[in-house]
Amino acid sequence: GAVVSQHPSRVICKSGTSVKIECRSLDFQATTMFWYRQFPKQSLMLMATSNEGSKATYEQGVEKDKFLINHASLTLSTLTVTSAHPEDSSFYICSARENRGLGPQHFGDGTRLSIL
Amino acid sequence: AQRVTQPEKLLSVFKGAPVELKCNYSYSGSPELFWYVQYSRQRLQLLLRHISRESIKGFTADLNKGETSFHLKKPFAQEEDSAMYYCAGRGKLIFGQGTELSVKP
Repeated sequence: GAVVSQHPSRVICKSGTSVKIECRSLDFQATTMFWYRQFPKQSLMLMATSNEGSKATYEQGVEKDKFLINHASLTLSTLTVTSAHPEDSSFYICSARENRGLGPQHFGDGTRLSIL
Repeated sequence: AQRVTQPEKLLSVFKGAPVELKCNYSYSGSPELFWYVQYSRQRLQLLLRHISRESIKGFTADLNKGETSFHLKKPFAQEEDSAMYYCAGRGKLIFGQGTELSVKP
């Protein structure tokens, strides 16, 4: 079945560092990918919709300059947390829809980001 | 505003008992609803979607437009069903708060 690969699975870094997270659709093309954030014992919160070849659409309250999204190809979207601070520590999950955005969403394994 | 609500954070049942995980939605237009499951230390997996009307792992969910609900049901719970269950709606997936199902032996 369709698989979404997310890398890295875990990042620990110092405050002020920028961190890039990759999301790849392995056996299908994804014109649209989604980035979520999940706090402990809470549900997923949609951060932004990543659109191949165009600007991402951010949800209300999500800082565009803080969370840079690039969707340069049909199989890869990246999320860069710029100048990360401890409050950015969280679990970040990406997903992609197959079948030209009409099929179900498939999720990556998530990235645990810890900022010291 | 688009919203999907799961009123129960935790549902605990005994093995063999019936299970119903509640989900209510609130948004305009035709509903597009899904149930996702997250087993311990695993990724989110699609369990059901309302348009397919299928049964997966013994779970079913019926869309009730009158009650704006999409409750997930299983007649006889198994221990391996213990997981987090998320109801989600619409194209970019608005998630409910999630319900942790605990099935005791």
